[in-house]
Amino acid sequence: GENVEQHPSTLSVQEGDSAVIKCTYSDSASNYFPWYKQELGKGPQLIIDIRSNVGEKKDQRIAVTLNKTAKHFSLHITETQPEDSAVYFCAASLGNAGNMLTFGGGTRLMVKP
Amino acid sequence: EAQVTQNPRYLITVTGKKLTVTCSQNMNHEYMSWYRQDPGLGLRQIYYSMNVEVTDKGDVPEGYKVSRKEKRNFPLILESPSPNQTSLYFCASSFSYRGEAFFGQGTRLTVV
Repeated sequence: GENVEQHPSTLSVQEGDSAVIKCTYSDSASNYFPWYKQELGKGPQLIIDIRSNVGEKKDQRIAVTLNKTAKHFSLHITETQPEDSAVYFCAASLGNAGNMLTFGGGTRLMVKP
Repeated sequence: EAQVTQNPRYLITVTGKKLTVTCSQNMNHEYMSWYRQDPGLGLRQIYYSMNVEVTDKGDVPEGYKVSRKEKRNFPLILESPSPNQTSLYFCASSFSYRGEAFFGQGTRLTVV
């Protein structure tokens, strides 16, 4: 089955700096890659996603890049703010009807004011 | 408001005492799933359901059961809970298997 690895497990940045979280996946058939943000005491919430026919996608301060050849994808957050502090999960989907999403281990991002 | 509702939010139980965690969604989604979240392991899928009466095992199904008798509900059943099932559980639903998954607030289960 699919295996997703995520790095780093913790990331501390100063407010205003950029943050980058990287994930690799094992199954070249995966074609949907979402990123979820989990705030304390809440369930994960989708923040951005990318499909395998696209190399990059942006939404205001966040962007995701996908390298299908290398089987890795990354989340980029620019101009970080304290409210960006949370746990972020990457995920991959094979795009078939079973096994909806395989998640990475998560990254705890701390943005220091 | 579109949401996935889990109950209870917190539960402490003893080994071997059957329990059910309920999950309900109001978005008419076909796909529903249960995950457990453990430190450093991310979210691992327990069971999923593609529609009413259609369920299948995820990555870590041992010790769990599910049912999908109605489209909106997808309860998670632990027939004989053990301490290694102490975890944070999330129910999720989505319109399709490649679409946005909506998660519930989570159920923190402790088995002593």
